[in-house]
Amino acid sequence: GENVEQHPSTLSVQEGDSAVIKCTYSDSASNYFPWYKQELGKRPQLIIDIRSNVGEKKDQRIAVTLNKTAKHFSLHITETQPEDSAVYFCAASSGLGGGAGSYQLTFGKGTKLSVIP
Amino acid sequence: DSGVTQTPKHLITATGQRVTLRCSPRSGDLSVYWYQQSLDQGLQFLIQYYNGEERAKGNILERFSAQQFPDLHSELNLSSLELGDSALYFCASSISGGNTEAFFGQGTRLTVV
Repeated sequence: GENVEQHPSTLSVQEGDSAVIKCTYSDSASNYFPWYKQELGKRPQLIIDIRSNVGEKKDQRIAVTLNKTAKHFSLHITETQPEDSAVYFCAASSGLGGGAGSYQLTFGKGTKLSVIP
Repeated sequence: DSGVTQTPKHLITATGQRVTLRCSPRSGDLSVYWYQQSLDQGLQFLIQYYNGEERAKGNILERFSAQQFPDLHSELNLSSLELGDSALYFCASSISGGNTEAFFGQGTRLTVV
């Protein structure tokens, strides 16, 4: 099955600096890569996603890049703010073989981002 | 509000007991996933259903079972509970499967004492 590795596990940055979180995946057939943000005690929420036919996607201060050849994708947060402090999870969607609903979403272990004011 | 409803929000039970966690997916979503999140841990995939059928199994213990009913709600049954089963259990749903956005419920906090 799919295996997703995420680094670093913790990341501290000064407010206003950039943060980068990297993930690698194992299944070359994976075609959907979402990123989730989980604030303390809350549910994970999607912040951005990218599909395998796109190399980069931006949404205001957040961007995701995908390198299919190397099987890695990254989350970039610019001009970080204290409210960006949270745990971020990457995920990869791999097919299970045949039929609708046949995709499994595998998550990385998460990165705890702390933005220091 | 994600539209995914999980009940109960909190559950405290003793070792050896059995509990049932319930999940109602967003209207129109056919896929339901269950994840376990222990303290400071990632999201461990347990099981996935699509339109009533089991589609994938992750690291789900034999003491755990799940099902998705015709109305698409899902239940996760945990039996012979151990202290180590204490965790936050999330349900998520998506329209078709893991290649579309998954919406998470608020989770059920299970404490085994």
